Order: sequence, then structure tokens, then C-alpha cells
Amino acid sequence: AQSVTQLDSHVSVSEGTPVLLRCNYSSSYSPSLFWYVQHPNKGLQLLLKYTSAATLVKGINGFEAEFKKSETSFHLTKPSAHMSDAAEYFCVVSGAGRRALTFGSGTRLQVQP
Amino acid sequence: DTEVTQTPKHLVMGMTNKKSLKCEQHMGHRAMYWYKQKAKKPPELMFVYSYEKLSINESVPSRFSPECPNSSLLNLHLHALQPEDSALYLCASTSTQGLQETQYFGPGTRLLVL
Repeated sequence: AQSVTQLDSHVSVSEGTPVLLRCNYSSSYSPSLFWYVQHPNKGLQLLLKYTSAATLVKGINGFEAEFKKSETSFHLTKPSAHMSDAAEYFCVVSGAGRRALTFGSGTRLQVQP
Repeated sequence: DTEVTQTPKHLVMGMTNKKSLKCEQHMGHRAMYWYKQKAKKPPELMFVYSYEKLSINESVPSRFSPECPNSSLLNLHLHALQPEDSALYLCASTSTQGLQETQYFGPGTRLLVL
């Protein structure tokens, strides 16, 4: 069985300040982990993915995530928030066997001017 | 190119109507999915097609009927829906590299049932 917990339902930052969106996962095997972003009234866009090649993963739009097995975490960061980053972010785990994803509950990122 | 397209973008239908949602991808992906997403919630899996055969049905009511006519196309036929079926319907397809799979999502169809 696998699960994902996004520790914050809502994060608010000022433009130009760092972003941290927290995600913890549980999996009985070596998982693949993803971050997706969803802007209002849009579909989900893949930000980045961890596939065991490297623990620090770089994604699009300046986002990064670090896989920490000892902490079962996969937190998403960005050094400097931009107004266009305001959106819903989903941490997602994919395991072996079933061709489907387990979604976290989502974190809404607000960026204040 | 990682594009999944969906039509229509918006759909309004009455409870007695029959309508269809369409999803298309030309990336050679052999697994395709339908998800339902309610406001402020993560997507919920409805159906999975693998090599054009239905492999997962998440106990979805029969008023939703999926169809996969070929490897590029996925339809969702709707009949006698209820107002609570109003949601964003997302299609996705999976890219496979070795043992790694990545899902790519379409923009969704926003459905309103009156």
C-alpha cells in the first residue's frame, strides 16, 4: 500500500521569497514520486519527477525537490516565488503493479505582491 | 511532445441527455485514464485502459461508459447523469521508460449537469 501526505493545505508567500511545499510518502517498495501543478480551471502539468536516478530533482519553472528516504519526504522548493506560481500543487506517488497514481490532498500556493 | 487533448472544454447537459467526452494522444502511449476531479480535491481515478482493454474500473456507476476505439483515442459516454456528477473530467496517458511510468494529463472537460 502507498500513501501521500501533504502537510500544508495552504501556503502563502510574498513574491520573491522562497517557497517550500511539504510532502511525506509511505510506500512498501521503491516509489516514483511526482509533483504536479494545477492552475485554476486547467489540467495538471508535470513539474518534476523522482525516479531513483538522483535524489535532487530539478523541474520546470525553477522548482526543485529532494528525495529523502530516511525521512520519507519529497518536499518541493523554489528560491524565489513569482506571481504566476499561484496554483494548486499535488504530490503524487506511483508504485509497482497498478498503473495508477496516489495523490496527496493538494497544497494551494498563494503569492502576495 | 507530451500533449493530451480533450474536447469539449466545457459541457452543460440535462439529466436526460446523452453526451460524450473525447480524449486524444499521439505519443504512442498504451495506457490511458479517466479521472474525475471535484473542486478543491485531488483527481479520483475512474477507468484505466491498457493496450485498448479496460484494466481498471473503480466501481464507477454505469451511467459513465468508457470506450477505447484505438490506441490514440479514449471516449467517455455519459447518460442520465446526476447533478453531483458535475466536475472536471481529466484524461491522462502514460509514458513508459523501462520500469518508470509518467502520466501526462489533458486540460480537462468541465461538466455541468443541470
